Amino acid sequence: AQSVTQLDSHVSVSEGTPVLLRCNYSSSYSPSLFWYVQHPNKGLQLLLKYTSAATLVKGINGFEAEFKKSETSFHLTKPSAHMSDAAEYFCVVSVLNTNAGKSTFGDGTTLTVKP
Amino acid sequence: DGGITQSPKYLFRKEGQNVTLSCEQNLNHDAMYWYRQDPGQGLRLIYYSQIVNDFQKGDIAEGYSVSREKKESFPLTVTSAQKNPTAFYLCASSSGAGEFETQYFGPGTRLLVL
Repeated sequence: AQSVTQLDSHVSVSEGTPVLLRCNYSSSYSPSLFWYVQHPNKGLQLLLKYTSAATLVKGINGFEAEFKKSETSFHLTKPSAHMSDAAEYFCVVSVLNTNAGKSTFGDGTTLTVKP
Repeated sequence: DGGITQSPKYLFRKEGQNVTLSCEQNLNHDAMYWYRQDPGQGLRLIYYSQIVNDFQKGDIAEGYSVSREKKESFPLTVTSAQKNPTAFYLCASSSGAGEFETQYFGPGTRLLVL
């Protein structure tokens, strides 16, 4: 069994300040972890993924995430927010050695960036 | 350009009507997926297909049907049995295998009931 919890449904930051979007997961096996971003009425765009290589993963648009097995976390960060970062963000966990389609999505975090 | 296309962008359904959402990919991916997204919620899996002529039910398959006659295409039919079809529907396909499997998403279709 697997699950993912995004700890904040809404996060609001000022432009130029750091962003932290939190994600905890549970999994019976070694997970693959993903962050996706969704702008209004658009599909999901892959930001970054963790697949058992380096625990600090760098993604597009200056985002990065750190896999911490001891804390079962995969938080998304960015040093300086930009207005264009305002969107919905989804944390996703997939389990190895299972049938395709077994990805579990978090409920999403809405990021608001204030000027 | 490679990618996933979904059509139409908006779709209206009348009571008792079946409607079909199109999903096409030219990424040469074997696996394809349909998700439903409701406001304030994550994505829920409707159906997925790992290979042509084969597909499996996801978590919320009731009221939906799919076919996979070609590798590039995975249409979703919302039947009259689906009593609450208003949602944003996302199609995805995936590359790789095992731990490197990554899903790529289309732009979505918003279904509204008249």
